[in-house]
Amino acid sequence: EAGVTQSPTHLIKTRGQQATLRCSPISGHTSVYWYQQALGLGLQFLLWYDEGEERNRGNFPPRFSGRQFPNYSSELNVNALELEDSALYLCASSPWTGGPVGGYTFGSGTRLTVV
Amino acid sequence: KNEVEQSPQNLTAQEGEFITINCSYSVGISALHWLQQHPGGGIVSLFMLSSGKKKHGRLIATINIQEKHSSLHITASHPRDSAVYICAGANTGNQFYFGTGTSLTVIP
Repeated sequence: EAGVTQSPTHLIKTRGQQATLRCSPISGHTSVYWYQQALGLGLQFLLWYDEGEERNRGNFPPRFSGRQFPNYSSELNVNALELEDSALYLCASSPWTGGPVGGYTFGSGTRLTVV
Repeated sequence: KNEVEQSPQNLTAQEGEFITINCSYSVGISALHWLQQHPGGGIVSLFMLSSGKKKHGRLIATINIQEKHSSLHITASHPRDSAVYICAGANTGNQFYFGTGTSLTVIP
């Protein structure tokens, strides 16, 4: 069974540009989560999507947005990139039946560098 | 103050030692997760707990809801256990509060 796949693995953008990161969950998982891990900082929760809807978001500005497609894959968009957006962006998926069920499976991440 | 605190921040152990990593949280959560992060960023979900104790191989995780405390134990530690271990609390909105992690090095 394929795990959570993220693309691209590395992305280099210049300040002010937009970045799009993609995530494909494990088959059967309807929930997708996005996290940011900036250098020297811990993991920060960004967004949670389930059944195509944004269910919750962390304390990030509106230029961080995303969506979930009918096949449950997801995109994370970061507009007007700033240098401090440079980080590892991790995606995870899980099944969801109204409460946390089972574990979460993480992708290997997209390393975004803003220059 | 972080909603989830872990200790110690860094831990070095000899192969074979029994290891304990502690996690305390101050927010209301519905589940507590232990994650393992390897160099390069790969993350593995080890346990999800809402009460009691879980065991998987040499790993044991416990949680005390009243005291808002969880522990991760590694028995018979091995160099391949070297990684960063992260404690995370999740509320009913699936919002995660992450600890800053414990960097474990197991020396042969």
